[in-house]
Amino acid sequence: QLQLQESGPGLVKPSETLSLTCTVSGGSINSANSFWDWFRQPPGKRLEWIATIHYSGFTHYDPSLKSRASISVDLSRSQFSLRLSSVTASDTAVYYCARHSGQSGDFSWGQGTLATVSS
Amino acid sequence: QTVVTQEPSFSVSPGGTVTLTCGLSSGSVFDSYLPTWYQQTPGQAPRTLIYNTNSRFSGVPDRFSGSIVGNKAALTVTGAQADDESDYFCVLYVAGLWVFGGGTKLTVL
Repeated sequence: QLQLQESGPGLVKPSETLSLTCTVSGGSINSANSFWDWFRQPPGKRLEWIATIHYSGFTHYDPSLKSRASISVDLSRSQFSLRLSSVTASDTAVYYCARHSGQSGDFSWGQGTLATVSS
Repeated sequence: QTVVTQEPSFSVSPGGTVTLTCGLSSGSVFDSYLPTWYQQTPGQAPRTLIYNTNSRFSGVPDRFSGSIVGNKAALTVTGAQADDESDYFCVLYVAGLWVFGGGTKLTVL
């Protein structure tokens, strides 16, 4: 059974870069029909999609975050990662990684990791 | 900017049936928007229930079903149970972007 586990620093200072990693187990990160996603949920707000990556290198970003976000995949470690630069308090959120099939909303979710931006 | 709309709250009696909807601020929802529904309780990760309008995710009870009703996507809960009390969100794939609704708080009483 596919499992996704996020990891991250928990606390990041304003203007620094938030780095998050999602470890994939129970499935292959280089599956042709698997797309890997990052989402976030600020406190009390709805989920927001951030970015998607395919093992082939295809990436897709939400336009509002594209200038600060970078998603990457490490096939050897079965992990994919998100870097979000120049963070502010508004980037405080629970960050979720997920997997979906091509042209499908069949999201499998990780448990989420809280990232707080504060000095 | 695309805005996905949902009823803020709904209530249903135990054993009853309720239909939640997911619309667009302008325009209709189509299958091509891959309407997806998930359930989320506070502090927990989302749980996908229905995807691509009417496909049930693995392990989801068949009392949950999805459809298009009029110009909206719909999630129907048939035979509601106490542990169905939760927040329900929809997400649509619009112009290459995943856009989330604000959620419906379902009360079972």
